[in-house]
Parts: sequence; structure tokens; C-alpha cells
Amino acid sequence: EAGVTQFPSHSVIEKGQTVTLRCDPISGHDNLYWYRRVMGKEIKFLLHFVKESKQDESGMPNNRFLAERTGGTYSTLKVQPAELEDSGVYFCASSHQEGGEETQYFGPGTRLLVL
Amino acid sequence: GDSVTQMEGPVTLSEEAFLTINCTYTATGYPSLFWYVQYPGEGLQLLLKATKADDKGSNKGFEATYRKETTSFHLEKGSVQVSDSAVYFCALSPAGAGGTSYGKLTFGQGTILTVHP
Repeated sequence: EAGVTQFPSHSVIEKGQTVTLRCDPISGHDNLYWYRRVMGKEIKFLLHFVKESKQDESGMPNNRFLAERTGGTYSTLKVQPAELEDSGVYFCASSHQEGGEETQYFGPGTRLLVL
Repeated sequence: GDSVTQMEGPVTLSEEAFLTINCTYTATGYPSLFWYVQYPGEGLQLLLKATKADDKGSNKGFEATYRKETTSFHLEKGSVQVSDSAVYFCALSPAGAGGTSYGKLTFGQGTILTVHP
């Protein structure tokens, strides 16, 4: 079974540009999460999809970030326009809740550097 | 809100040494607790988990016990190897109704472990 995949693995952009990150969850997983780790700090939650619906977007830092999950499969996270403080590693995770328990499986992350 | 505190690193050990990485948490009810590991150049992998008080999670020689009374989930390994060098993250997911656990993970800041031959 394929794991969670993310694209690109690395991205270097200039301040003010736009970047779109993609996440493909494990097949059949309804839950998809985005997280971010900035400058060696803790990994922080951004948002949670259940199928195509946003279940919780309380972690989205501001309106420069837009996440979509059309059709309930893969998801994209767009940053427009990017700022220096957006640099970090963006992780995607997916899960299937079973019996009241959930384990999230993570992708390798996208390393974003904004210059 | 929920929070997780890990011991500060980095931690440097010699091969076959005993490892402890402390983790304490603040949360309501009975969250599920996790240890994730990130090896160099790779993504996060689930190392072990525990879903209720006094549960012990174990994997690859690592273990951690869910201690409700001390709100802790310390990671231990009796004899580390060079291949254990990685960043270790403690995390929790919130308690839900009826003993469920679901939703966003709250992570500690991560502990870098380096094991020398």
C-alpha cells in the first residue's frame, strides 16, 4: 500500500511569489491534515479535511493560505503571496478512523524556503 | 488548550547506552499519546502509541507508558544503536466522547538524538 506522498519535496521561492503544495493521502483515508514545522520549533496543526469538507481550519495562520481538497482525494495548499516567515517544512497526514481510534500517517514533507 | 512538553535536546549517547526522553502533557480527559520519529532525510513515522491510562506502547525496542497521574509518556530504550539517531516527537490527540480520540495532533518541540559508535 502506498503511503502519503507530497510534492514538491523542496521549493525555493522569493517573497511575494505563489507556491502550491500537493498531498496525496493513503487511498481510502477520509481524514487529511496539514501541519507545519517552522525553524526547528514544534510541529503545528494547520487544518483538517474530512473528505472534501474542512472540519477544522483553526490553525491556518492568515488568509494568504488556501487549502482545497476537491473530490475528497488529494489536497493542495497554496500560499499567496509568500512571506519570509512562511519558510518551514509542511507535512501532510492522512487517517481512517476505526473503532473510535485514529492513527495519522505522515508524508515526507515539503521544505519551503522563502527568500 | 492542549500542550506537550519534551525534554530539551540535543541528546548525545554512546551505542548501547540507556535512553530516556521525557514527555509531559496538558489536556482534558484521556487523550491518545504518540511518539513519532523522523530519521534524517525522511518524513515522520509512528513509533508507538498508547490510548488509555497505564497502557504501554512498544516498538523496535522502544517503550513508553501512559501515566495519567503524572501526565507523562516518557520514551525509553535499554540499548540504543547508531541507527536510532533521529528526531523524536511526542504528540497527543484530543479525547472525544465515549473514549474516542480523534483530530489534530499537538506536538512537542522534538528531541534530536545522536548515537555515536
